[in-house]
Amino acid sequence: QVQLQESGPGLVKPSGTLSLTCTVSGASISTCDWWTWVRQPPGKGLEWIGEIHHTGITNYNPSLKSHFTLSIDKSRSQFSLRLSSVTAADTAVYYCACLTADDYWGQGTLVTVSS
Amino acid sequence: DIQVTQSPSSLSASVGDTVTITCRASQAIRNDLAWYQQKSGKAPKRLISAASSLQSGVPSRFIGSGSGTEFHLTVISLQPEDFATYFCLQHNRYPWTFGQGTKVEIK
Repeated sequence: QVQLQESGPGLVKPSGTLSLTCTVSGASISTCDWWTWVRQPPGKGLEWIGEIHHTGITNYNPSLKSHFTLSIDKSRSQFSLRLSSVTAADTAVYYCACLTADDYWGQGTLVTVSS
Repeated sequence: DIQVTQSPSSLSASVGDTVTITCRASQAIRNDLAWYQQKSGKAPKRLISAASSLQSGVPSRFIGSGSGTEFHLTVISLQPEDFATYFCLQHNRYPWTFGQGTKVEIK
């Protein structure tokens, strides 16, 4: 059974940088072609941030592209999200997921941007 | 971007009712649409892929239909565990976009 676990700081100061990591267990990181990040502001809907192929190719949401960077470390079975110059609008639950043939989600991690 | 308009934003229903949620895409997306269920504090769970294919283990009372620009999720005979928020997701063209969600509440 594939399991995903997000990790990272729960609180980030405005204008700072947020880094989140998703660890894949129970299967090879190559199990999923495209690893995805989705976020959900408190009480709101879901927003697709982007995805990274296990070869390192990326697709980003253009409205967020300058804000986010995705990377993958196959040796550690991890993929990561880096968000620079954060603002209060980036406060959300961040999910890592595989949305291709299979449907795997992490439990989500709340990131709050506040001083 | 392809806009996905989901309606209604909320609905109240009783156990045993049949409800239908609609997603309309701003341009044709073939059948590249999935439906998700999200319960409070939990990650979404996919119910339907390719507009009408039921995911393994999902009860048959969940029915997806549609293609092109209009899609429907029908839940026949609502059960207590079905009260949740439902989202659609188009994955035809980047960036993928979600509908705004429909909260199904107990009447």
